[in-house]
Amino acid sequence: RKEVEQDPGPFNVPEGATVAFNCTYSNSASQSFFWYRQDCRKEPKLLMSVYSSGNEDGRFTAQLNRASQYISLLIRDSKLSDSATYLCVGRGPYGGATNKLIFGTGTLLAVQP
Amino acid sequence: DTEVTQTPKHLVMGMTNKKSLKCEQHMGHRAMYWYKQKAKKPPELMFVYSYEKLSINESVPSRFSPECPNSSLLNLHLHALQPEDSALYLCASSQAGTSGIGPDTQYFGPGTRLTVL
Repeated sequence: RKEVEQDPGPFNVPEGATVAFNCTYSNSASQSFFWYRQDCRKEPKLLMSVYSSGNEDGRFTAQLNRASQYISLLIRDSKLSDSATYLCVGRGPYGGATNKLIFGTGTLLAVQP
Repeated sequence: DTEVTQTPKHLVMGMTNKKSLKCEQHMGHRAMYWYKQKAKKPPELMFVYSYEKLSINESVPSRFSPECPNSSLLNLHLHALQPEDSALYLCASSQAGTSGIGPDTQYFGPGTRLTVL
């Protein structure tokens, strides 16, 4: 079983739609979680950190459920510019290393006009 | 400023060449990372330097040789690469290193797109 799993998509949604991405992780000792966004042929960019209390940044809401080992990202009012791959990422300890990131395979979002 | 810079942007090299990739950050971060990313795959960790010491080597072949001359610079020396080593090489940095405190967010550079002929 992969340490971080997410649906690869693609998710094809119309502009203005609400879309939800889910992610599960297997290592209950994982300390921190993040959502990164990666545009085609570009580097991953941090979208937001994920906290158990839930956090919101504009149209984006992230949630962590440690009991279920489940992470989510909700995007409201999708824009064309939201089209990208969304990477669910966990941070150590993996193999004793606390600063090692484990990436999910990424979920491809295509927002259609 | 959360900027990590990498040079060159693109590199084409033959299997007998020796080249180096460079990475720089001026955020005072004490951990720096090299990742390799193939098309349609997530980044794979190669090396981690914490406080200028190599702390993680993910069983990377010796044809890849990392170097951390100081806390702001990270190099990746390449020698006798294979065509399957063609990929996007990403550098990242983070603040806390191995302390395990806080989210220790990693910030990525734009990458070097490497082609081995």
